[in-house]
Amino acid sequence: ETGVTQTPRHLVMGMTNKKSLKCEQHLGHNAMYWYKQSAKKPLELMFVYNFKEQTENNSVPSRFSPECPNSSHLFLHLHTLQPEDSALYLCASSQGRRDYGYTFGSGTRLTVV
Amino acid sequence: ILNVEQSPQSLHVQEGDSTNFTCSFPSSNFYALHWYRWETAKSPEALFVMTLNGDEKKKGRISATLNTKEGYSYLYIKGSQPEDSATYLCAFMYSGGGADGLTFGKGTHLIIQP
Repeated sequence: ETGVTQTPRHLVMGMTNKKSLKCEQHLGHNAMYWYKQSAKKPLELMFVYNFKEQTENNSVPSRFSPECPNSSHLFLHLHTLQPEDSALYLCASSQGRRDYGYTFGSGTRLTVV
Repeated sequence: ILNVEQSPQSLHVQEGDSTNFTCSFPSSNFYALHWYRWETAKSPEALFVMTLNGDEKKKGRISATLNTKEGYSYLYIKGSQPEDSATYLCAFMYSGGGADGLTFGKGTHLIIQP
C-alpha cells in the first residue's frame, strides 16, 4: 500500500450505467489528481484539485465528473461512457509543491461494454 | 501541447550489466522533471524529482542527470538486477504556478534477463 487507496480495483459497466471511482489518501497531501492510461498511450492528466478546488480540467468530456469533498477524498463520477473510455484510471496525491514526487494509487481498471 | 519522449520503448538487459535510457522534454518554461518506476500490478513509485540544470541524483544503483538547456534527462542503472524490471516513466512540469499536473512520456519498459 502506498498511502493512496483506490476502489474498486476493477469495474465493468454498461454504456448506460452510472458508477463512481473513489480515491482516498491520509498522507496530509493538499493536491489530488486523476490520470487515465489507455493502451499504448502515456498517462494523461484529467483533473487537478488543490486544497479541494479544481485547478485544472484537461479538456475531459463531461461524461467524467470529478468531486473533491475534502483534501483526503477524490471521486470520479462516470455516466454514459463509451467503450473507448475503457482504461486504467489512476489517482495520485502530492504536497502541492512542485519539487515533490506524487504518490499514486494502484488504479481502477475500467471496462465499458 | 507538451511533448515528452522516452527512448528506447523497451530494453532487454542481462543481469549484471549497466544500462541507461533517455527522456526528452521542452527546454522552455521548465520547472521540474520527475522519474517514476512502475512495476507490473503495482503503483508508479517516485524515484527522483529534478529541478536544476546539471542536477545529478542517486538512489542506490540508480542515478539520473538533467540538462534543461537542451531538454533531456538520462536514467542510469548500474549492475542491473531482476528486481529492476519495470517501466520507467519520466514526467515534465512546466513553470506555470500552482499544483499543476505532470505530462508523462510513454515510458521505457526494462526487462532484466537472468
